[in-house]
Amino acid sequence: EAGVTQFPSHSVIEKGQTVTLRCDPISGHDNLYWYRRVMGKEIKFLLHFVKESKQDESGMPNNRFLAERTGGTYSTLKVQPAELEDSGVYFCASSQRTSGGSTYNEQFFGPGTRLTVL
Amino acid sequence: GENVEQHPSTLSVQEGDSAVIKCTYSDSASNYFPWYKQELGKRPQLIIDIRSNVGEKKDQRIAVTLNKTAKHFSLHITETQPEDSAVYFCAATTIKAAGNKLTFGGGTRVLVKP
Repeated sequence: EAGVTQFPSHSVIEKGQTVTLRCDPISGHDNLYWYRRVMGKEIKFLLHFVKESKQDESGMPNNRFLAERTGGTYSTLKVQPAELEDSGVYFCASSQRTSGGSTYNEQFFGPGTRLTVL
Repeated sequence: GENVEQHPSTLSVQEGDSAVIKCTYSDSASNYFPWYKQELGKRPQLIIDIRSNVGEKKDQRIAVTLNKTAKHFSLHITETQPEDSAVYFCAATTIKAAGNKLTFGGGTRVLVKP
């Protein structure tokens, strides 16, 4: 079974430019999460999709970040315009649909996209 | 919201010795605590987890303990080997039908010296 994939693996852009990150979850996984690790700190939650719907976007830092998951398959995270503090590693994770309130389905992580804003 | 603190940030051990990483959490509603291992250049992978109704769980050389009262949980690695060198992240979440966003600690870089 193919794991979560992310593209690109690295991106170097200048401040003010736009970057779009892509995540392909494991096939059949309804839940898709975006996380970010900045400057060697903790991995922080950005947002959560259930299929194509945004379930929780409480972690999105500001309106320069836009996430989409059209059709409920792959997801994109666009940063426009990018700022220096956006540098970090962006992780995507996916999990199976939650069948009940007491069930936890493992989140499988992608390899991440390392974003450097100069 | 939940806050997870993780210590130490770096840990160097001699091969064969034990390693212990400690985490504390703030939200008493958290009831699921996974540990992820990220080897250099690779993706974070779940290595062990524990639910709040269990005090300890073991899987070969790794074990996790949970103290709900104190809001502490720890990862124990015994008989460390060079392949245990990695960054380890603890996390916490409250299991919900609507989804389970993870709150992570800052990570511990473990170096096992041969």
